[in-house]
Amino acid sequence: AQSVTQLDSHVSVSEGTPVLLRCNYSSSYSPSLFWYVQHPNKGLQLLLKYTSAATLVKGINGFEAEFKKSETSFHLTKPSAHMSDAAEYFCVVSDLGSGYALNFGKGTSLLVTP
Amino acid sequence: DSGVTQTPKHLITATGQRVTLRCSPRSGDLSVYWYQQSLDQGLQFLIQYYNGEERAKGNILERFSAQQFPDLHSELNLSSLELGDSALYFCASSVVADNTYEQYFGPGTRLTVT
Repeated sequence: AQSVTQLDSHVSVSEGTPVLLRCNYSSSYSPSLFWYVQHPNKGLQLLLKYTSAATLVKGINGFEAEFKKSETSFHLTKPSAHMSDAAEYFCVVSDLGSGYALNFGKGTSLLVTP
Repeated sequence: DSGVTQTPKHLITATGQRVTLRCSPRSGDLSVYWYQQSLDQGLQFLIQYYNGEERAKGNILERFSAQQFPDLHSELNLSSLELGDSALYFCASSVVADNTYEQYFGPGTRLTVT
């Protein structure tokens, strides 16, 4: 069975400081992993995805994530937070076992303070 | 703007009623996905259609059904509504059926069942 766990439901950072949003997954197959962002009252937008190519994935708006198979993790990072980064972030896993349906984590709410 | 449109934006209805949510995918996208986002269940994949055919099924209740029409727009029908069906319903589209490709999300339809 496949699952995804976002380790923090809320993260608060100061503007200009690094962001770390943690995600662990489990999969019996070679998974595809994604991070999506949802701004208030908006739909979801893809930040980045891992699909068995380079393990360090760069996304939009300065975000990146590293696929670590040994740790079954796919943490999202950004060197310097901006006020506009405040949003809900979802880690998502997809694999053959689920028919490639997207399985969303519970989400991490990122608060950025001035 | 993702290019995916959903109507209506808001829907308020009573228990036991039936509603239809509509989704128009991005131009050229053949695949349509439906998701439900609620406070207690989080974001859940409901169903996927590809070029008019059902492709994958997630946690969709038997009271719910969907279809994709020849012009590729899709409708999600929810019947015998219960209070617990109150949620944000998202539609997403992608070019192909492969879920490793980016899905573009619409702004959602907020359903309130009273």
